[in-house]
Amino acid sequence: ELKVEQNPLFLSMQEGKNYTIYCNYSTTSDRLYWYRQDPGKSLESLFVLLSNGAVKQEGRLMASLDTKARLSTLHITAAVHDLSATYFCAVDNNNNDMRFGAGTRLTVKP
Amino acid sequence: DTEVTQTPKHLVMGMTNKKSLKCEQHMGHRAMYWYKQKAKKPPELMFVYSYEKLSINESVPSRFSPECPNSSLLNLHLHALQPEDSALYLCASSQWGNLDTQYFGPGTRLTVL
Repeated sequence: ELKVEQNPLFLSMQEGKNYTIYCNYSTTSDRLYWYRQDPGKSLESLFVLLSNGAVKQEGRLMASLDTKARLSTLHITAAVHDLSATYFCAVDNNNNDMRFGAGTRLTVKP
Repeated sequence: DTEVTQTPKHLVMGMTNKKSLKCEQHMGHRAMYWYKQKAKKPPELMFVYSYEKLSINESVPSRFSPECPNSSLLNLHLHALQPEDSALYLCASSQWGNLDTQYFGPGTRLTVL
């Protein structure tokens, strides 16, 4: 069974600081996704990572994928308050079985 | 149009009621999805429609019945639900199947009394 583990589950950061969210998964997969969810809102797709070594960046967020280690990271650079949200990673095991991590609730404080 | 719409936004129903959730997209996407999300939990994939055919059923109880009348519309028919089915129901679509980049609707918040 595909398992996806995210850590940390809760993250409180000061504005301007850097931090990394980790996503580990249990089976072989070629596709990993990062989503953002604001409280009471729907999900917003951030990144789709399709191959080993893939790196994508958008603003202050950068995601990478290491399929050999079964690990993806979401790096936050110089955090700002607007980044406060819950971030989910999700993995597709190539069998139409998609599982989400538990989510990381990020709070960025002034 | 890059939007996925869902109706209603909120729904309260009794355990004996029959209701339907609706989802629509006009992006020409050929895959559509239903997810269930309980409070403070990650979304759980319920159904996948690819080219208007149900391609996966994640062992969801039969009181949830999906329907895809055409490539732009997706319904979720609800019957004899339980209070534990109360959740946010999210619809998503993607250009192709295989769970590629998904665009999510705003969701329907369902309460079962």
